[in-house]
Amino acid sequence: SQQGEEDPQALSIQEGENATMNCSYKTSINNLQWYRQNSGRGLVHLILIRSNEREKHSGRLRVTLDTSKKSSSLLITASRAADTASYFCAAQSREGFKTIFGAGTRLFVKA
Amino acid sequence: DAGITQSPRHKVTETGTPVTLRCHQTENHRYMYWYRQDPGHGLRLIHYSYGVKDTDKGEVSDGYSVSRSKTEDFLLTLESATSSQTSVYFCAISKSPDREAGVTNEQFFGPGTRLTVL
Repeated sequence: SQQGEEDPQALSIQEGENATMNCSYKTSINNLQWYRQNSGRGLVHLILIRSNEREKHSGRLRVTLDTSKKSSSLLITASRAADTASYFCAAQSREGFKTIFGAGTRLFVKA
Repeated sequence: DAGITQSPRHKVTETGTPVTLRCHQTENHRYMYWYRQDPGHGLRLIHYSYGVKDTDKGEVSDGYSVSRSKTEDFLLTLESATSSQTSVYFCAISKSPDREAGVTNEQFFGPGTRLTVL
């Protein structure tokens, strides 16, 4: 079963609005990462938050991590049409080295 | 873009034939991974390598084998392809994680190989 599970599976918003995606995972983690995938391309790393961190910012991205609830959220502020893509969370387990990806959230930003 | 290439980029083959996919990196990263991506499943780890000749299984390794004879190359082989192995295959690389040095294991992905098994 997947370590990371994203919610919602799909999200459609207007340009300028904020987009929030959530991720849940099942075991203890070293860190949690978010990736973006444009259609037909490989994944691109966006941001990493360590298990001892609660919030992290990078440009228009804000990531939160709640280890007690085993959940994370990715907020994209002031969305643009170019943000249209699939977004994946990936949890690196504390045991071993494997990073498990969720099924992704498809974001569509309408111009 | 990280220096990762995959070959071939597209392949159509028949059930029962052997298939080898190649991943090549120019970053000298220690770790290399093979994933498959299918609708509704995200990325699932097939095999990974933590050094030359050092490999381990992922969550969906049945029907696949890998080899790494050089740092820069990681090969994925389907010994006898089946229709269930129709998928998009991604290679990824990462540095060795080092907590003390603050090095984490962000992965850099190749462009993918679309494999169709008829």
